Amino acid sequence: SQQGEEDPQALSIQEGENATMNCSYKTSINNLQWYRQNSGRGLVHLILIRSNEREKHSGRLRVTLDTSKKSSSLLITASRAADTASYFCASMTTDSWGKLQFGAGTQVVVTP
Amino acid sequence: GAVVSQHPSRVICKSGTSVKIECRSLDFQATTMFWYRQFPKQSLMLMATSNEGSKATYEQGVEKDKFLINHASLTLSTLTVTSAHPEDSSFYICSARDPEGGWQPQHFGDGTRLSIL
Repeated sequence: SQQGEEDPQALSIQEGENATMNCSYKTSINNLQWYRQNSGRGLVHLILIRSNEREKHSGRLRVTLDTSKKSSSLLITASRAADTASYFCASMTTDSWGKLQFGAGTQVVVTP
Repeated sequence: GAVVSQHPSRVICKSGTSVKIECRSLDFQATTMFWYRQFPKQSLMLMATSNEGSKATYEQGVEKDKFLINHASLTLSTLTVTSAHPEDSSFYICSARDPEGGWQPQHFGDGTRLSIL
């Protein structure tokens, strides 16, 4: 199966700055999800955006979805050192019955 | 607390050993579970979809005889890496879908780091 693209692959910022990462996918989706993974750990779900939604907020997170471009972005505002992690987008197609296709991921390092 | 429990968290064993990894849903009955593999600094690759009471569906390129999946109950799926070799060393993660949850996100286990010597 093909995975989507994510950029940048790595991002290094200072505390207080915003972090933006982008994700592209290949097929029509039912929803797109963003996950966070600390080194060597499992995934933590951050936010889900449905195909008929264009923007969604959750705390310091803002996600956009452009189905015409098959792309999504995740913005973390006012970043903290604890936000250091890898972030993955995952798309779910309508007929996949829960199967997720993950993007390549963005490794974010937030320096105090 | 965790709704999906994965065990063991870490395995180190000799080449040729078969290793079994368990994935349990704690708060719900999961008719479908998913198994992923993740190599260092890479993304998650779906290996197979585990269906309770029926055969697993494997992704292209994944050897079903190498990675045996058993989903014998509504709360437990197991992945057995048979005759493991160093190239099978990886981070294996399961997830479970709550059928009552509609399109709500899946729940992921904490992963199993497998190291084959």
